[in-house]
Parts: sequence; structure tokens; C-alpha cells
Amino acid sequence: EPEVTQTPSHQVTQMGQEVILRCVPISNHLYFYWYRQILGQKVEFLVSFYNNEISEKSEIFDDQFSVERPDGSNFTLKIRSTKLEDSAMYFCASSPRQGTNEKLFFGSGTQLSVL
Amino acid sequence: GESVGLHLPTLSVQEGDNSIINCAYSNSASDYFIWYKQESGKGPQFIIDIRSNMDKRQGQRVTVLLNKTVKHLSLQIAATQPGDSAVYFCAETITGGFKTIFGAGTRLFVKA
Repeated sequence: EPEVTQTPSHQVTQMGQEVILRCVPISNHLYFYWYRQILGQKVEFLVSFYNNEISEKSEIFDDQFSVERPDGSNFTLKIRSTKLEDSAMYFCASSPRQGTNEKLFFGSGTQLSVL
Repeated sequence: GESVGLHLPTLSVQEGDNSIINCAYSNSASDYFIWYKQESGKGPQFIIDIRSNMDKRQGQRVTVLLNKTVKHLSLQIAATQPGDSAVYFCAETITGGFKTIFGAGTRLFVKA
């Protein structure tokens, strides 16, 4: 069964460093998302992406964050200058149809630890 | 003191019993609702969904009930099994929108 894959599974970085989290969505999906989950808390929406542009973003997704689909398969989340509070599990998701009136398929996540 | 961020509502049930997990959603404009299951170390997985023109939908061993009047969702799991132990999230979205918003989550423990 097709699945969303994320790399790396764990990322440790120093505060102020840039990190890039990588995702390969399911191949025939059109909509892509990033969510994050701080330990023990709910899953928080960060950004959605369609047709090579951001569709919607949350307040969390400030100027330190960016997303890119550099080729036909990868979808990346970049945090330019990490802060301690960026430590969380980051999930990529994809969806096959227009809009979000369709279930999301999640990857297994990247655990980001900012020291 | 209590770590609020680590406190999830918890439901503990005996194997074979039925489980009911409740959720209050926030946006009266939401018209599509989904339940996700999250096992330890994994991403959320789709369980069942329901649109706002329905008040009940059944799957295999799971049923979702929607009460739009009070903005309430519930997930019923029949004959709960140890493999059902996980955190369950309800989620809401609006047709034509671009984000799905997750609720707080409930941790289900199934005792063998």
C-alpha cells in the first residue's frame, strides 16, 4: 500500500541552526501538508500546499518556516533558525483530491530536538 | 505541578467491552469530520469519517455519531481489542478549505 515517507526519523540540532525535513508524499496525491505535535499534545496544522504554492498556513508558520516541492516527488519543510520551542514531532501528510474534504495520509514523522 | 501539555483524557476498558470516545468540535461551519488513531511513534491513521448531512456512519467495529446541534462527535468501538490501544483524535474541516483541525485527543487503554 502506498505510504508517505519522511526522513530523517530523528533530527538533533543546535538552536539557531537551519533544518530541512523531507517528505515523499503518495505519488498521485495533489495536496500536501505539514503538521507538528509537541510531546503529549494535539496535532497542530502548520501549512498546506497545492499547485506549487501555499494554500493556507497557521500562525505557527511564521517567517522562519518555508516549504518547497523541489521536484516531482519531494516536499520539504525548512526551519531557518531553530528555537528551543520548535522541538516537536513533525508530520507530513498528503491528500488525493481537491480541497481537504478528503482524508489525510500521514507519514511516521520526524522527531526534531533543538538543543 | 501538573504538566498540562502531557495530560490527555484517558479511557480504560476491558478487552471485549465497547468503547465510546467523545469529542467536541469548535467550528459550526465544519462539514466534514474524521477520526484518526495514533499509535506510539507513528503518524495519525484514518479510521472513519462522516459528513455533516449524516448523523451516523458505521464501519468495521467502529461507528461515528455526529450531533451538530451541540457540536459533538463520538467514536464507538465494538468489542475493543488490545490492538485498539492508542490515542484517538477527532478532526474537523470545511469543504473547500485547506486545513484539517485536530481535537485534543483521548488515550485508550485496553486491559487484557
